[in-house]
Amino acid sequence: EDQVTQSPEALRLQEGESSSLNCSYTVSGLRGLFWYRQDPGKGPEFLFTLYSAGEEKEKERLKATLTKKESFLHITAPKPEDSATYLCAVHNNAGNMLTFGGGTRLMVKP
Amino acid sequence: DTGVSQNPRHKITKRGQNVTFRCDPISEHNRLYWYRQTLGQGPEFLTYFQNEAQLEKSRLLSDRFSAERPKGSFSTLEIQRTEQGDSAMYLCASSYAGTPTWEQYFGPGTRLTVT
Repeated sequence: EDQVTQSPEALRLQEGESSSLNCSYTVSGLRGLFWYRQDPGKGPEFLFTLYSAGEEKEKERLKATLTKKESFLHITAPKPEDSATYLCAVHNNAGNMLTFGGGTRLMVKP
Repeated sequence: DTGVSQNPRHKITKRGQNVTFRCDPISEHNRLYWYRQTLGQGPEFLTYFQNEAQLEKSRLLSDRFSAERPKGSFSTLEIQRTEQGDSAMYLCASSYAGTPTWEQYFGPGTRLTVT
């Protein structure tokens, strides 16, 4: 059974204070690892897909990296508008569903 | 591209009543998924359609839950004899099988409260 664990559960940062969110996973054949952003009361918003170890993707202040066991979402010089819950999910190559972690709730204070 | 839409956005019902939710996927997407999310947790997979065929169901999907996707367009999720434990956000997502990227795009969700 696929498993995804995200840490920390919550993270408070000051504006400009860079940090990283962790996503550890076990999957029977990785088709893709996905990062989503979710604002309160809304559906998840797609950010990145990573397919193989060593791959990196960037978007504005966010950079996602992937190893064989975990993924990191690095946030550089965050702003208050980056405050949200960040969800990690895996898609195995035998099925059609995403298996999500519990998310990291990020709060960035001005 | 107007994105995935879901209706209603909020539903309050009494225990034992039946409820139905609707999802309209992105127009060219032939894959449609339903997930359930409770407070503080990540979404959990419920069921998956490719075109009009329901190809996968989670064991979370009890007999009180049924989903349809007539003509491979919009989808409905019905919950019969609702229980308080059914209170959650119900999310719909869609994707296009013709690309290798497997990205799923989510709608805004329907929040169900069972009293």
